[in-house]
Amino acid sequence: GDSVTQMEGPVTLSEEAFLTINCTYTATGYPSLFWYVQYPGEGLQLLLKATKADDKGSNKGFEATYRKETTSFHLEKGSVQVSDSAVYFCALSNAGNNRKLIWGLGTSLAVNP
Amino acid sequence: DGGITQSPKYLFRKEGQNVTLSCEQNLNHDAMYWYRQDPGQGLRLIYYSQIVNDFQKGDIAEGYSVSREKKESFPLTVTSAQKNPTAFYLCASSIGPSRSNEQFFGPGTRLTVL
Repeated sequence: GDSVTQMEGPVTLSEEAFLTINCTYTATGYPSLFWYVQYPGEGLQLLLKATKADDKGSNKGFEATYRKETTSFHLEKGSVQVSDSAVYFCALSNAGNNRKLIWGLGTSLAVNP
Repeated sequence: DGGITQSPKYLFRKEGQNVTLSCEQNLNHDAMYWYRQDPGQGLRLIYYSQIVNDFQKGDIAEGYSVSREKKESFPLTVTSAQKNPTAFYLCASSIGPSRSNEQFFGPGTRLTVL
């Protein structure tokens, strides 16, 4: 069945460092891909999404490109801030799964001043 | 403002008691979902509903029950049959079966069973 694999955390960076969180997926057909962010004690917020190959999602300085050839959707940010400290989840939605979201396990990011 | 409301934010219950978690949305979404999140783990789907008066079991439905009598409401009951109910519960909604099925989340309810 469909699955999502994220790099394990925690990831610890200094402010203004470059961030990459890897996400790869296994799916039939053409899934949509998402990154969600969860701040401590809160629900999840959609960070960005891409619905077809080569699409680039972007929001708040974060970017991710839908790479079908490598089945990847890595999250990047050029200069992280302390306020980016959160847990980041990669997910996919596929017609074959009745459009339920399939989730990665999440990657915790801590940014130090 | 449109959004999803979950109440209460914190809930404490004694072992053996049933408890119902509220989830309301005013986004006019057809689909609603309940997830469970445990420390250091991802989200696990409990139940979902794609239309009023219909719902399906997710991956960990045992010990839980739901109803969907109104489009905007999807309450979750944690029964005494749930062996380890202490967790963070998240409700979500989406417009319905669409190309992307983007889900919107509520703030969550943290349930502690004493």
